[in-house]
Parts: sequence; C-alpha cells; structure tokens
Amino acid sequence: AQRVTQPEKLLSVFKGAPVELKCNYSYSGSPELFWYVQYSRQRLQLLLRHISRESIKGFTADLNKGETSFHLKKPFAQEEDSAMYYCALSGKNRDDKIIFGKGTRLHILP
Amino acid sequence: DAGVTQSPTHLIKTRGQQVTLRCSPISGHKSVSWYQQVLGQGPQFIFQYYEKEERGRGNFPDRFSARQFPNYSSELNVNALLLGDSALYLCASSLDSLNTQYFGPGTRLTVL
Repeated sequence: AQRVTQPEKLLSVFKGAPVELKCNYSYSGSPELFWYVQYSRQRLQLLLRHISRESIKGFTADLNKGETSFHLKKPFAQEEDSAMYYCALSGKNRDDKIIFGKGTRLHILP
Repeated sequence: DAGVTQSPTHLIKTRGQQVTLRCSPISGHKSVSWYQQVLGQGPQFIFQYYEKEERGRGNFPDRFSARQFPNYSSELNVNALLLGDSALYLCASSLDSLNTQYFGPGTRLTVL
C-alpha cells in the first residue's frame, strides 16, 4: 500500500539548532517525493521536491531508497521556519495521485 | 495573477444537503486537483482533472463528483452531506498533471 508516515506531530527546536523532520514512505515503484509547507495564515506551498535536488530556505532533503525515507533537514533553525510541514509522494505517471502525510508542526523556540 | 482562487471561503450546511465548491486555476494551468483536509490530517486526494477529463480519483464515495469547464475552472459537488464531510476543501492547479501544484486558500465546509 502507498503510505507516507511522519512520526512526529510536533517538533520543538531552539533557534540556531539543527532541524530534522522525518518522513518514511511505502511505495511499490519509484516515487516522486515532496515537502510542502504551510506558514501561519498562508496557503500550502511546495518547499522542495527530490528530483530538483535543490536547497530552499536552507532546507534540504535526500531520498534514501534503502531506508525508504525522505527526511527534511536544516543546519540552523530560524524563527521564521515555524510552520506545518507535510511530506508527500506521487508516482511518475500522469494519473498517479499525490499522497500526503499527516504533517509535523515545527515550533522554533527563541 | 491572484493565484488559485476558491469560493466560498466558508460554508455551513446541514446533513443531507448538497454543496458545490468552486475553483479558478492560475491562468495557463490546465490541471486542477481537489483535496479534503480534515483537522489534524494531511490533505487527502479526491480528484484530478486535466483538459476537462478526469485523470485520477481518490477513495471517496460516489456522493463526491467534480467537473472541469472549458476555461479550466472546476467545481466539486458533494451530495447527501454527512457530518464527516466537515473539512477544509483545497483546490490546486498545475500546468499539467505532472507539474508542481499551487494551492488555493481552501473552502471550510461545516456540516451540522
């Protein structure tokens, strides 16, 4: 079954400390993985996707096919990183749907 | 461009009623997807439309239906509303069904 698991509902991190938001997936085939973010009172928006292999706002995520994980990392947390983060996956075919995890709320402590 | 727009912003209905939610995609985007987000959960895929054809359907009952118009706007219809249909309904548009999705602000539906 296709599934995305984000084990932490809430993650509190001090400003300047490293951040790691965990995401594990289950998918038969080669999925596309995404991280979406929703800041307070804003729309859900794409943060990054694994095929881009880019760093957005200091965040990176590496697809580990062996561990079926796509953890989101940032070396030094900033207060503006406080938000809801969703991991999502999709197949590579046009008709494949996107499956979201339940989300992790990241709270940056001053 | 205002981005993806949805109407109404919120709505209160009673059990058994029917509701229609509307979505206007970003100009030039031909694909529209609908999601249901229940409190405390991630968005759950309902439908995807591309060039007015249904390209994907999630695990929702037949009470849920949608369509896409020639101008690429879309409507989501839900019949015989249940209390459990109370949720935020999100619309997302993309250039085609494989591209990055841009989300609207959502319509908050409350069923009493």
